Amino acid sequence: AQSVTQLDSQVPVFEEAPVELRCNYSSSVSVYLFWYVQYPNQGLQLLLKYLSGSTLVESINGFEAEFNKSQTSFHLRKPSVHISDTAEYFCAVSDRGSNYKLTFGKGTLLTVNP
Amino acid sequence: DAGVTQSPTHLIKTRGQQVTLRCSPKSGHDTVSWYQQALGQGPQFIFQYYEEEERQRGNFPDRFSGHQFPNYSSELNVNALLLGDSALYLCASSLVGTGGWTGELFFGEGSRLTVL
Repeated sequence: AQSVTQLDSQVPVFEEAPVELRCNYSSSVSVYLFWYVQYPNQGLQLLLKYLSGSTLVESINGFEAEFNKSQTSFHLRKPSVHISDTAEYFCAVSDRGSNYKLTFGKGTLLTVNP
Repeated sequence: DAGVTQSPTHLIKTRGQQVTLRCSPKSGHDTVSWYQQALGQGPQFIFQYYEEEERQRGNFPDRFSGHQFPNYSSELNVNALLLGDSALYLCASSLVGTGGWTGELFFGEGSRLTVL
């Protein structure tokens, strides 16, 4: 069975500071990896995904994540955060034989303070 | 282009009652998945429907059932409600297509169920 561990439940940072949200997964098969963002009272929005190819993936709003197979990690980073990045971030994994079925972590609440 | 729409947005039920939640997928999508998100937790996969059949199921009891209609919309039914069923229920749609999965699920804003 798959599992996802998000090591920090809350991460407070100041505006324009760098941030890293950590994610580790366990799976016995090849996987797809995702980061989703959830703003208050909204559904989940896909931030970025790793399916294959380059292990470094980027989003349009400056986030990036790197798939590290040996460490079974998919940490999310941003070099300079904004107030508007305040949200809950979820890491998720899907094994390649189980399309569309995602296993989520418990989430990390990123709070960006002025 | 409307995204995934869910109804109702909020509802309150009492223990033992039954509830039906509805979902319309994003235009052009043919697969619907349901997730339960308890307070302070990540979403948990309930089941997935494609071609009007349940294709995959998570670790949820038979009290949770669903249906997909020919227009790809879907319903989630929960019988004999328990206090622990209180959660945000999220619907997600995707397209199987001929090119394989693109790796994206589009989520609705959810139906928040409170069981008293």
